[in-house]
Amino acid sequence: DAGVIQSPRHEVTEMGQEVTLRCKPISGHDYLFWYRQTMMRGLELLIYFNNNVPIDDSGMPEDRFSAKMPNASFSTLKIQPSEPRDSAVYFCASSRRSGGELFFGEGSRLTVL
Amino acid sequence: AQSVTQPDIHITVSEGASLELRCNYSYGATPYLFWYVQSPGQGLQLLLKYFSGDTLVQGIKGFEAEFKRSQSSFNLRKPSVHWSDAAEYFCAVGGNNDMRFGAGTRLTVKP
Repeated sequence: DAGVIQSPRHEVTEMGQEVTLRCKPISGHDYLFWYRQTMMRGLELLIYFNNNVPIDDSGMPEDRFSAKMPNASFSTLKIQPSEPRDSAVYFCASSRRSGGELFFGEGSRLTVL
Repeated sequence: AQSVTQPDIHITVSEGASLELRCNYSYGATPYLFWYVQSPGQGLQLLLKYFSGDTLVQGIKGFEAEFKRSQSSFNLRKPSVHWSDAAEYFCAVGGNNDMRFGAGTRLTVKP
């Protein structure tokens, strides 16, 4: 299996622009997670899905952030409008079962100028 | 609510020396516990996990960890550190359909 695939690996954008991050989980994994990693706050869980349904989005910082999972093989995390404080590495991870091991993608490094 | 504490932000050890990274957790039931490693510019990779049974678990790259319920701890150990072990290490607790990570411990290995 190819593992969790994220795109883009790097994104540099200007404040106010829309950013869309993409994730393809491992086939057969029913859980998908979006994490944000910064030096100040470490790894933060933003949202997770089970069978394409959002279960807990309490970690989503503001209404500017939204996530979707239209099917079992694709998810997006959108930031609109983006702000400099959104600069971080965003990780997608998937898991086969509840409480199980997470398989991480390589991350999307976002820089908002 | 579940939480994880890694008391040491940064640890430096000499190559060949032993290593112990500390992890304490808070969870209402029997937790699932994990240790992940992150090399620069990479995602997180699982080192080992504890679900139940033997409280001493073996992982990849010669790492092991011991679950101590009475101390709410899950410390990571390695008898002899290699220069390639330099990385960031994260302890995590799961079991409620999500996973919470500690702040991480950065390991530096001296020659």
